[in-house]
Amino acid sequence: DTEVTQTPKHLVMGMTNKKSLKCEQHMGHRAMYWYKQKAKKPPELMFVYSYEKLSINESVPSRFSPECPNSSLLNLHLHALQPEDSALYLCASSQGGGTVTDTQYFGPGTRLTVL
Amino acid sequence: AQSVTQLGSHVSVSEGALVLLRCNYSSSVPPYLFWYVQYPNQGLQLLLKYTTGATLVKGINGFEAEFKKSETSFHLTKPSAHMSDAAEYFCAVSAYGNNRLAFGKGNQVVVIP
Repeated sequence: DTEVTQTPKHLVMGMTNKKSLKCEQHMGHRAMYWYKQKAKKPPELMFVYSYEKLSINESVPSRFSPECPNSSLLNLHLHALQPEDSALYLCASSQGGGTVTDTQYFGPGTRLTVL
Repeated sequence: AQSVTQLGSHVSVSEGALVLLRCNYSSSVPPYLFWYVQYPNQGLQLLLKYTTGATLVKGINGFEAEFKKSETSFHLTKPSAHMSDAAEYFCAVSAYGNNRLAFGKGNQVVVIP
């Protein structure tokens, strides 16, 4: 099973709202990722958690706040977003460690619209 | 650092014809190479990957790719296009000890009946 689940599928929020995106995997993977994808563009890496610790932050604005409560769960907390933050947010997971088996598997994404 | 070049953002192919998507990579260390497919309003699905061993890699949905070190290429092919192959295709590269994926710009494949 290579399934990564994400909720919600769609989210519409105002610029003053606080919301969270959730990602879950039960493959025993120890690395989890958040990506942002604009239309017709490749995914852009935002954050990487490795063994539940934040290992990469690609200079993402503080209005995006990641959290990894346990090895199966990854959240992205959103606050005071801007309309240009509207995008597809993808979660991925991999075994971890950058080895030959470290393949990233993606979830279906959350389509975020900021009004 | 690794990088990938995919030329031609839009690729049109007739149903039943060969699908060929080109990917060239740059890497200072032995690369791991991936092709992902993205259908409209969905996430990325792994088509196939090359890490070590056999250079001709077979994936899902009849796709295959060949790693050619001398040409720094990892082109994706399918002998006969099907309407269901219409999607965005991304080539990506990483390396041992580095779980950061570098994506190409993607190819939008249109299948003409």
